[in-house]
Amino acid sequence: ETGVTQTPRHLVMGMTNKKSLKCEQHLGHNAMYWYKQSAKKPLELMFVYNFKEQTENNSVPSRFSPECPNSSHLFLHLHTLQPEDSALYLCASSQGVRGAGGETQYFGPGTRLLVL
Amino acid sequence: GQNIDQPTEMTATEGAIVQINCTYQTSGFNGLFWYQQHAGEAPTFLSYNVLDGLEEKGRFSSFLSRSKGYSYLLLKELQMKDSASYLCAVVDSNYQLIWGAGTKLIIKP
Repeated sequence: ETGVTQTPRHLVMGMTNKKSLKCEQHLGHNAMYWYKQSAKKPLELMFVYNFKEQTENNSVPSRFSPECPNSSHLFLHLHTLQPEDSALYLCASSQGVRGAGGETQYFGPGTRLLVL
Repeated sequence: GQNIDQPTEMTATEGAIVQINCTYQTSGFNGLFWYQQHAGEAPTFLSYNVLDGLEEKGRFSSFLSRSKGYSYLLLKELQMKDSASYLCAVVDSNYQLIWGAGTKLIIKP
């Protein structure tokens, strides 16, 4: 499945580093999402972009900064992260016609992030 | 608050049938999704229910009762490849997607 790709797949960073996660979707969708997935916890929605406009920011710390230059690309810029930010970061996309939550979402394989 | 409950882990035998339950308390309801997630991989869409009843799709079926705030995913003729986590998610009245923590299904030979 190559509909939604994410790079890198694995990332180890120190608390003072700056890094970026990249997501690209090849499905012609207009909505894109960032999620955080921690072990045995529900998926946490971080950001939503619909037609390149940010429509949701669920109280995410400012050390996470999203960027959506077009409907096919989504970035998550990371700086001065904390060890508790270690998790799987998933990108997803959907058609973007209805409310974001009401559509089938297509996920990328995720970036496994470890903050030391 | 909004809440989705599903068992943390279940074990079943290859060739058997397993039912994974999901109960929800949400502000409104606009549909319920089931996703499958193999370890280290992306969640993938399995089913969507918005009306009461059973939806069958091959070996997998999904049931919804809106009055009871209840759904289940039924997997028949289990195969080893069905070992995965199964995520239940409900669309609330604001079209927010509320996720359960997932059920890890272990299939034994």
